Amino acid sequence: AQKITQTQPGMFVQEKEAVTLDCTYDTSDQSYGLFWYKQPSSGEMIFLIYQGSYDEQNATEGRYSLNFQKARKSANLVISASQLGDSAMYFCAMREERNAGNNRKLIWGLGTSLAVNP
Amino acid sequence: ETGVTQSPTHLIKTRGQQVTLRCSSQSGHNTVSWYQQALGQGPQFIFQYYREEENGRGNFPPRFSGLQFPNYSSELNVNALELDDSALYLCASSLTQYNEQFFGPGTRLTVL
Repeated sequence: AQKITQTQPGMFVQEKEAVTLDCTYDTSDQSYGLFWYKQPSSGEMIFLIYQGSYDEQNATEGRYSLNFQKARKSANLVISASQLGDSAMYFCAMREERNAGNNRKLIWGLGTSLAVNP
Repeated sequence: ETGVTQSPTHLIKTRGQQVTLRCSSQSGHNTVSWYQQALGQGPQFIFQYYREEENGRGNFPPRFSGLQFPNYSSELNVNALELDDSALYLCASSLTQYNEQFFGPGTRLTVL
C-alpha cells in the first residue's frame, strides 16, 4: 500500500539556518513522483518542489532542495537560509505515475510544523 | 493568470443538511481534484475530474459527489452532512492529469 511518513510533528530553526524535514514513502511502483507543499495558517497549499522517481539529480528550487535517496525510500526537504515567512506546515506527498488507470491522486503525510525563530 | 479560486471561504451547516462547494480552475487546466483535510491531518483524496468525467475516487461514501463543467470549473456536493464532515476542503487544478496540482485557498466547512 502507498504510504507517506513524516516523523517530525514539529521543528524549530533559527532564522538564516538550514533545516531538514524528513519524509519516507512506501510504494511498490517503479514510477512515481514526490512533492512537497507548504501550508501557511491561511490554509492554501503552496507547491514547493517535485522529484520524479527516475530523476538522477536531486531537485532544487531556490532555497528548497530535495534530498532523494531512492534505495532508502526517503525524500527529505532541505530549506536553506530559513526566513520568518517559512513558518508553516509542510507536507510531503506522493503520486503514482504508472500508465494503468487514470487516477493521479496525491497520497499525503501528516505534515511537519516548522517554526522559524528570529 | 488567475489562480485557483474557491467559494465560499467559510461555511456553517447543521447535521443532515446539504452543501455545495465551488472551485474555479487555473486558466488552461482541465483536471480538478478535491481533497478533505481534517484538523491536524494531511489531505485525503475525494475524487478527480478530467474533462468533465470522474477520473478516480478515494474512500468516500456516495453522498460526496461532484461535477466538472465545460469551462473546467467544478463543484463538490455533500448530502446528509455529518459532524465528521467538518474540515477544510481543498480544490486543486492541474494542466493535465499528469502535471503538478495547484491548490485554491480552501473552504472551511463546520457542521454543527
